[in-house]
Formats: sequence, structure tokens, C-alpha cells
Amino acid sequence: DGGITQSPKYLFRKEGQNVTLSCEQNLNHDAMYWYRQDPGQGLRLIYYSQIVNDFQKGDIAEGYSVSREKKESFPLTVTSAQKNPTAFYLCASQQGLSYNEQFFGPGTRLTVL
Amino acid sequence: AQSVTQLGSHVSVSEGALVLLRCNYSSSVPPYLFWYVQYPNQGLQLLLKYTTGATLVKGINGFEAEFKKSETSFHLTKPSAHMSDAAEYFCAVTRRSSNTGKLIFGQGTTLQVKP
Repeated sequence: DGGITQSPKYLFRKEGQNVTLSCEQNLNHDAMYWYRQDPGQGLRLIYYSQIVNDFQKGDIAEGYSVSREKKESFPLTVTSAQKNPTAFYLCASQQGLSYNEQFFGPGTRLTVL
Repeated sequence: AQSVTQLGSHVSVSEGALVLLRCNYSSSVPPYLFWYVQYPNQGLQLLLKYTTGATLVKGINGFEAEFKKSETSFHLTKPSAHMSDAAEYFCAVTRRSSNTGKLIFGQGTTLQVKP
């Protein structure tokens, strides 16, 4: 089955640590996205990538970093510079034009201890 | 800047009653419009979208939405609520001129269905 996988499902981080969230898709989509979800705020775009080896900052990129070395993979690193990283993180992918559906992964819930 | 407003963070209906979830957008040019549903601790799933053509759009699970340009609205409805409809619903837009696919989301509306 084609789809998007995210791992781990739950992640606990101590303050000052960097952590990396995995996102893999086998839909052969060119574009991939990372969103952060907080209660009552909807989803906010962190980073996106439209092609391998290229990515752009979204609306809340500070304290995060990404890479896109392979078409199917778009890992997100939450660095110690992110002051309030506790949130639900969602990865999505999309093929072609902007009116096409974005497909979402199941999410990773990150908690800072 | 483009924005999306969903009126009502929580909506409660009885099973079998009409579901109405409101969404308004702010942009001078109508964007592409989407409704997504999210069940607890899961990702989002597309319910329906409006791009062009007929303004009444039918989606999955019996939902539909009507694009009204004069009201800058894209409200989601379902004639008869089912317990399985309990979830969080997000309205989202993207600019027609966009070549990035960036979605702007509303704050979300949690739908509660009472037996």
C-alpha cells in the first residue's frame, strides 16, 4: 500500500537535546511538508520541499532543520533552539499542482521532559 | 495575508441531526478550498475540495460543502450526523497562483456527536 510513515509515534526529549523525526513516503510525490499542530491553532507549516536537495522555510522554521537527500525521505530535526517543541508533528506529501490533495502521515507526538 | 476562519472551536450535535461547520477565507481572489478530517492521534484525511466548476462539492462519508464567492465561505454540511463523525475538522486554502502547494489552515472545529 502506498502511503506516508512517520516514526516514532511518541518521542520524549530532554531539554537541550536535538531529536530527529522520520518521514518516509512511497507515493513517488515530489513535494513534502512538515506541519506542527498545537491545540486550538490548527496546523502551521515548518518546512517544505518541492524537489530533492531543495527545501524552503515555512511560517515557523526557527529551531528546526530538514534535509531532502532522497525523494522518499524528509526528516525533521527539532533542535535545542526550539523553545517550545512539545507538539504533534505531521508530515505530508503532494504530487503536482497546488490543487492536488496533500496526503498526511499518522504524526509524531513530541514531549519535552 | 491570506487567512482562514472557522467559527466555533467546538460544535455539538445529536446523532441524526444536521452538521454545519463554518469556514470563511479572506483573499480577493478565491483560493482552492479544502476540508480535512482528523481522528484522535491520527493524520489528516481529505473530505472534499473545491477547485473550479460546480460550487456544491460532494465528499466522502456523506459530507458536502458549498463555495459561496459573495460570502467568501465554504461551509461543510452533512444531513444526518453519525457517531463515527466525531472528530476534528479543518478548513484549508491555497492560493490559485501558488506553485508551492502551501496550505493555510483554520484553527479547527471539534465535532461532538451525542447519542
